[in-house]
Amino acid sequence: EAGVTQFPSHSVIEKGQTVTLRCDPISGHDNLYWYRRVMGKEIKFLLHFVKESKQDESGMPNNRFLAERTGGTYSTLKVQPAELEDSGVYFCASSQTASGELFFGEGSRLTVL
Amino acid sequence: GQNIDQPTEMTATEGAIVQINCTYQTSGFNGLFWYQQHAGEAPTFLSYNVLDGLEEKGRFSSFLSRSKGYSYLLLKELQMKDSASYLCAVRDRTGGFKTIFGAGTRLFVKA
Repeated sequence: EAGVTQFPSHSVIEKGQTVTLRCDPISGHDNLYWYRRVMGKEIKFLLHFVKESKQDESGMPNNRFLAERTGGTYSTLKVQPAELEDSGVYFCASSQTASGELFFGEGSRLTVL
Repeated sequence: GQNIDQPTEMTATEGAIVQINCTYQTSGFNGLFWYQQHAGEAPTFLSYNVLDGLEEKGRFSSFLSRSKGYSYLLLKELQMKDSASYLCAVRDRTGGFKTIFGAGTRLFVKA
């Protein structure tokens, strides 16, 4: 069974550009989460989808970040326009139930120059 | 709000036992997880505690005291491959069961 996959693994863009990160959760997992790890700091919660609905988006830093999960399968996280402080590793995780363990993807490393 | 504290780094010797402590504060506690993360890889699940006491799984054990807001991860018979970051994470049911992570403890296992 395939795990959580994320694309791209690494993206380098200039300040002001747009980047879209994609996450494919484990098949059948209704719960999908986005997290971000900035260098040296903890993995911070961004938002939680249950199927296609946003259950909790309290961790989204500002309106430059837009997450979608149309059809309740894969999810995208778009950063527009990107700023220097957006650099970090963006992790996606999925779980079968909201109370279950998280299965993480390997992350998308974003570098904003 | 939520707050999770764990040591930044620890060093231990191959074959020894190491205990990684974690203290937390959260308003809607709904379970505590430990994850392992090797450099450049995805965090992977190690253990889960929701009731007080010790959960044992092979060389790894995790303990929880809800009244003290305290957990530890115990690693026995350390191997070189155990060198990794260990993330303490608390599930908070406020707003819908999100999992909040500590900054992680980097464990170095030396020969």
